[in-house]
Amino acid sequence: DVKVTQSSRYLVKRTGEKVFLECVQDMDHENMFWYRQDPGLGLRLIYFSYDVKMKEKGDIPEGYSVSREKKERFSLILESASTNQTSMYLCASSTAGGSYEQYFGPGTRLTVT
Amino acid sequence: AQSVAQPEDQVNVAEGNPLTVKCTYSVSGNPYLFWYVQYPNRGLQFLLKYITGDNLVKGSYGFEAEFNKSQTSFHLKKPSALVSDSALYFCAVRRLATGGSYIPTFGRGTSLIVHP
Repeated sequence: DVKVTQSSRYLVKRTGEKVFLECVQDMDHENMFWYRQDPGLGLRLIYFSYDVKMKEKGDIPEGYSVSREKKERFSLILESASTNQTSMYLCASSTAGGSYEQYFGPGTRLTVT
Repeated sequence: AQSVAQPEDQVNVAEGNPLTVKCTYSVSGNPYLFWYVQYPNRGLQFLLKYITGDNLVKGSYGFEAEFNKSQTSFHLKKPSALVSDSALYFCAVRRLATGGSYIPTFGRGTSLIVHP
């Protein structure tokens, strides 16, 4: 059974803290993605990676960075958390090419106080 | 720009009745279209996709979707709704990112509520 796991289901951080969200997939997928999900706004792409050490900005990259040192692991970093980054964060992976479906992790609900 | 629209924020249907969740798309070239479902407090799960071929695509959990090129639509359907189908449904289309990779872009989602 294919699996995408995220390091935490719930996380509470203070404003200004550096936050790491980790995602691991066991399907040897080339592509990995980070989204945030907010009510009424759907899924918005933050960053994606199409290979190890390769990354590309999505639609809302401001305030975030990413790291992909190994094929199976993709990290999202909030350099200095702010309250407007309180959200649900979803990680996904897929085979390269665009015709393949994504597999999603369970999500991390981050609250920044 | 490649995009999808889900015109309904919420769809209500009685159990046992047919359901339709609407999606329209705007792409240049041939569209690659997807439907996903999100149950409460879970990540998204893939339901079905249209790449090419038969306009009626069958997917998981008894769902199907009809691709209509003239109406630029890809509506999700099920002949008989179950209460357990209540969830958030997302339509997605493939688009070309700046760096040359193909990635999906999602609609805002439609909340399906099936009443007993």
